[in-house]
Amino acid sequence: GENVEQHPSTLSVQEGDSAVIKCTYSDSASNYFPWYKQELGKRPQLIIDIRSNVGEKKDQRIAVTLNKTAKHFSLHITETQPEDSAVYFCAAGLVGGTSYGKLTFGQGTILTVHP
Amino acid sequence: DGGITQSPKYLFRKEGQNVTLSCEQNLNHDAMYWYRQDPGQGLRLIYYSQIVNDFQKGDIAEGYSVSREKKESFPLTVTSAQKNPTAFYLCASNAGSDNSPLHFGNGTRLTVT
Repeated sequence: GENVEQHPSTLSVQEGDSAVIKCTYSDSASNYFPWYKQELGKRPQLIIDIRSNVGEKKDQRIAVTLNKTAKHFSLHITETQPEDSAVYFCAAGLVGGTSYGKLTFGQGTILTVHP
Repeated sequence: DGGITQSPKYLFRKEGQNVTLSCEQNLNHDAMYWYRQDPGQGLRLIYYSQIVNDFQKGDIAEGYSVSREKKESFPLTVTSAQKNPTAFYLCASNAGSDNSPLHFGNGTRLTVT
């Protein structure tokens, strides 16, 4: 089955700096890669996703890049703010039917943005 | 969250007892899922259901059971056979189409002593 590795496990940055979180996956068939943000005690919320036919996707301060050959994808947050502090999870899965919900998640990255 | 409701938020049980976690959605989604979250391990899929009266095992189904008698409801029973039941349980749903991302409920934190 799919295996997703996420690094780093913790990341501390100063407000205004950029943050990068990296994930690798094992199953070359995976073609859907979402990122979720989870605040303490709350539900994960989708912040951005990318499909394998796209190399990069941006949404304001957030961007995701995908390298299918190397089987890794990354989350980039620019101009970080204290409210970006949360746990971030990457995931991998297959597009199509109910496959959107059958995701394999990384272990999570605790991001702390210091004012 | 108004779309997916999980209850209760906190649940305490004695070892050896079965316990059922509730999940209700009003999003008219066809597919529903149960994930388990443990510290440092991300989320792992327990069971999922694509349609009423049908469900499949996920990666860690042992010690759990589910039912899907109604489209809106997908309860999860944690049985006494589950060796390490203490965890944060998240229910999710989606429309089951190519453009339908996963929506999560607020979760139930189960503690078994």
